Order: sequence, then C-alpha cells, then structure tokens
Amino acid sequence: LAKTTQPISMDSYEGQEVNITCSHNNIATNDYITWYQQFPSQGPRFIIQGYKTKVTNEVASLFIPADRKSSTLSLPRVSLSDTAVYYCLVGGGVTGGGNKLTFGTGTQLKVEL
Amino acid sequence: EAGVTQSPTHLIKTRGQQATLRCSPISGHTSVYWYQQALGLGLQFLLWYDEGEERNRGNFPPRFSGRQFPNYSSELNVNALELEDSALYLCASHPPGTQSSYEQYFGPGTRLTVT
Repeated sequence: LAKTTQPISMDSYEGQEVNITCSHNNIATNDYITWYQQFPSQGPRFIIQGYKTKVTNEVASLFIPADRKSSTLSLPRVSLSDTAVYYCLVGGGVTGGGNKLTFGTGTQLKVEL
Repeated sequence: EAGVTQSPTHLIKTRGQQATLRCSPISGHTSVYWYQQALGLGLQFLLWYDEGEERNRGNFPPRFSGRQFPNYSSELNVNALELEDSALYLCASHPPGTQSSYEQYFGPGTRLTVT
C-alpha cells in the first residue's frame, strides 16, 4: 500500500479555488489515485479518481504529473458546505481486486465566509 | 439513480444479543463492502462480497458474519454483541468493470449502540 502525505489542514473562503496536494513517492504501476470527502458521522463520499494526466468531473479536477509521485485535487469556487475532511488514497489497481479502503488522517478543509 | 441504502438507521441492542444490518447496493453494482467506524477511529474493513460469495474479510472475530443475496443486497450479522461493537457500520458498493476497486459508493450507515 503506497504511503501518502497530505496537509493536515487548510483554510479557505467561499468562492475561492482550493488545491490539496498529496505526495505518494512509492506509487506502483497499477495504482490509481482516488479522493474521498467525509463529513462528521457520515460515510466517505467518492469524489474523483485518476491514473495519469488530468481528470475532471462535475465537482472537482484531479491533476497528476507524468511521474505520478504526487497529485492535486482542485475544488473550484468552494462553499461552506465543502468544509470536510479530504482523503487521498493510492492503490486499488485491477490486479488487486476487492481492495479495502484504508484512510489516513486526511486534510481538514475549513471554508469560511 | 438511487444510492446505497442501509437499514435500520439506528439500532440499540444489549450485550449478548444479535444484530442484523441490511444494505442494498446501487443498481447494477455486484460488489458490497462492509466497514466499521468506531467513534474517533478510522474505517475498519469487515467483509467483501462479490457475486454472492464472501471474497475477503478483515481482522474481526467469526461472530461478525454476513451474506449476499441473489439481488446483490447484503446482510451483516453480529452475534453475541459486546459493548465495543458500538459503532457506525457502513456499506459500500462498487461498480463492475471499472479499473479500480477504490471507487466505492457508501450508504448512510447504521449506528449500532450496544448497552
């Protein structure tokens, strides 16, 4: 399981773009990069997943450089409701199958008015 | 598209009793995962079911068991309840044919309280 490092906390204001970077120097060839969001007392919510380059969906973008040793989750125009913990996971490749999720400490994002 | 559903929302039991928790995955999803999240702790993997079979289990005693039905819904049973079993139990489903099994969709959870 690739070790990930991400900031413990980040603060932002409504309407700003937030970028959370995750380091994963020992990522394996078949590992994917996945981001989850979690609110207190709720289950995690899948945000986005990628393997290389850039992935964009309706809520976020994921930037992955060519060496894949880091990744950046970009949240455009955050609102108060984006205040949550964000987790970066690396792994879950096809050969793994049925991979159980293991969350680290994550990044606590706080959005203020 | 309906998400993962779990029932009941809350469950209160006494020590020694049995608890049954239910999960319905997103339509078309064939894999179901169960996790335990105790207060202040991270997700602990319990069980993984795929196509009706138990494929993997976490480091939990045998009194935690379950099954997956032909319609891919799943049931988690916890026998001989202990106080430390009090936790939020989360079910997640995974779409077939995707590249990574890390894409999991969680239900709202069942809050089990053992008194």
